[in-house]
Amino acid sequence: GQNIDQPTEMTATEGAIVQINCTYQTSGFNGLFWYQQHAGEAPTFLSYNVLDGLEEKGRFSSFLSRSKGYSYLLLKELQMKDSASYLCAVSDSNYQLIWGAGTKLIIKP
Amino acid sequence: IAGITQAPTSQILAAGRRMTLRCTQDMRHNAMYWYRQDLGLGLRLIHYSNTAGTTGKGEVPDGYSVSRANTDDFPLTLASAVPSQTSVYFCASSDGIAGEADTQYFGPGTRLTVL
Repeated sequence: GQNIDQPTEMTATEGAIVQINCTYQTSGFNGLFWYQQHAGEAPTFLSYNVLDGLEEKGRFSSFLSRSKGYSYLLLKELQMKDSASYLCAVSDSNYQLIWGAGTKLIIKP
Repeated sequence: IAGITQAPTSQILAAGRRMTLRCTQDMRHNAMYWYRQDLGLGLRLIHYSNTAGTTGKGEVPDGYSVSRANTDDFPLTLASAVPSQTSVYFCASSDGIAGEADTQYFGPGTRLTVL
């Protein structure tokens, strides 16, 4: 079967750095997406990785290791507005997205 | 540019009633999707359409139907609603370029409660 695993919830302090991990087992791999979803709102695109390595985009970076079936999202200089759920999704062999249940990130002052 | 709109925003429905959730996009995207999102579960694909005139079944299609008469609209119909269909429903769209994993863009969602 296909499986995406993420921690259910994480807590971090404003101004700090947090790493949200995602491991996956899917039938085929055509890239990995990270989305942000604030409570009561729609998911919004953050990043896409298809090759191994780190992609940096401002305060957010995403890393991929295809051989390990592993990715992480790194958030730096945390702000209160970063409190949200972070969704990991893998594009499988049919280019359908398989979604993790999401990681709820709580930022404390 | 509105992107993707969904209607209604929320709805309370009696079990057994028929309901259509509307989704319209103005980005001229080829592909459209319907997901449901339940607490503790990831987004689950209900139905999708790679291009106008075609539809396909996702992970949880039972009890739902879709149509894609044109590029912009992708309505989702619950023929006879049941309480287990209580959920938040998201419509999404993407360029739908063959052989590429493209970014999906989401509508604001419809919160549906079936009593």
